[in-house]
Amino acid sequence: ILNVEQSPQSLHVQEGDSTNFTCSFPSSNFYALHWYRWETAKSPEALFVMTLNGDEKKKGRISATLNTKEGYSYLYIKGSQPEDSATYLCAFIGDNFNKFYFGSGTKLNVKP
Amino acid sequence: DAGVIQSPRHEVTEMGQEVTLRCKPISGHDYLFWYRQTMMRGLELLIYFNNNVPIDDSGMPEDRFSAKMPNASFSTLKIQPSEPRDSAVYFCASSFRAGGYGYTFGSGTRLTVV
Repeated sequence: ILNVEQSPQSLHVQEGDSTNFTCSFPSSNFYALHWYRWETAKSPEALFVMTLNGDEKKKGRISATLNTKEGYSYLYIKGSQPEDSATYLCAFIGDNFNKFYFGSGTKLNVKP
Repeated sequence: DAGVIQSPRHEVTEMGQEVTLRCKPISGHDYLFWYRQTMMRGLELLIYFNNNVPIDDSGMPEDRFSAKMPNASFSTLKIQPSEPRDSAVYFCASSFRAGGYGYTFGSGTRLTVV
């Protein structure tokens, strides 16, 4: 069984706060890590695809880093807004290029 | 492109009935995936296809579940007979190459078995 863990499970922040959460995954047989943003009653929306150790990706106020040697990725949100409220999922892809192992997500609630 | 299209959006059925969920992947995507999402287990891969051929069905929970992809633009997930524990949201996703590039989810089908 392959373990992908996300922490914290949930997070409540005030508008304007910056926040970050973690995805931990196996450090062997790494191929890629995906981050998704999943709003209630919608489908997961791809944020980042990360493949190289040391990768840093940015999309507006959201950024992510990757450490494949130690098996973790961080997602950062700068100056959270209420519209950032969603569940953020990471998915590990190993040597089976088509099997995604999803974490259980971090549910972010940003209060105005 | 309209994205990955799933139907129906919601399905309520009685225990023992057959349920068929449908998915139309994005045109040109060679890979199609079926997932089930529950509170207890999160997002689980049930089966995936490459060029209409089932590649890995190890996530299919039991024989009551079956999936087909008769052509590049259509796939079904069938549950027969359905049970209350099958109640979940079922997502279809497609991608255009290995490794999940262009990976796009459909809106999901919320299934309730009573």
